Amino acid sequence: RKEVEQDPGPFNVPEGATVAFNCTYSNSASQSFFWYRQDCRKEPKLLMSVYSSGNEDGRFTAQLNRASQYISLLIRDSKLSDSATYLCVVNVRTGTASKLTFGTGTRLQVTL
Amino acid sequence: EAGVAQSPRYKIIEKRQSVAFWCNPISGHATLYWYQQILGQGPKLLIQFQNNGVVDDSQLPKDRFSAERLKGVDSTLKIQPAKLEDSAVYLCASSPLVGGNYGYTFGSGTRLTVV
Repeated sequence: RKEVEQDPGPFNVPEGATVAFNCTYSNSASQSFFWYRQDCRKEPKLLMSVYSSGNEDGRFTAQLNRASQYISLLIRDSKLSDSATYLCVVNVRTGTASKLTFGTGTRLQVTL
Repeated sequence: EAGVAQSPRYKIIEKRQSVAFWCNPISGHATLYWYQQILGQGPKLLIQFQNNGVVDDSQLPKDRFSAERLKGVDSTLKIQPAKLEDSAVYLCASSPLVGGNYGYTFGSGTRLTVV
């Protein structure tokens, strides 16, 4: 079983639509969680952290369910510029070291 | 704040040749990571340094890959000899002492093609 699993997509949605991505992780010791965005042929960039209480940043809402080891990202009112790959990321800390493990990413294509 | 610098941006080599990549992390970031991203996959950690010591190199193919971080700042990743399956983007990232809740900042990567 992969440490972080995501549906690779692609998700093709019209502008203005709401789209949700899900992710599961296998290591119950995972301590922090993130969504990264990666544009084509670019490096991953941090989109937002994910907290147990849920958090929102503009049109983006992230949720974490530790019991189910499940993370989600909701994008409302999709824009053409949201087209990218969204990477689910978990951080496991051991001692003074921490390691980010990435999912394979979910590709989103927003169309007119 | 200057970001993570990597060079070269692109590299094409023949199999069995050697190649080296360079990374300069964000000033003051003690932790440096090298990731390998194969097309269609998420980044995979190869090696993690804290200052100039190796913290995790469990996924580094040590028969052909090596990395060093002299003086706890710049780092180089070397592949010798390269194989076709090494074709990927090699990403360097850095973070404060312990990544914690801050995530990492990535460089723009080196795209390696082995032919």
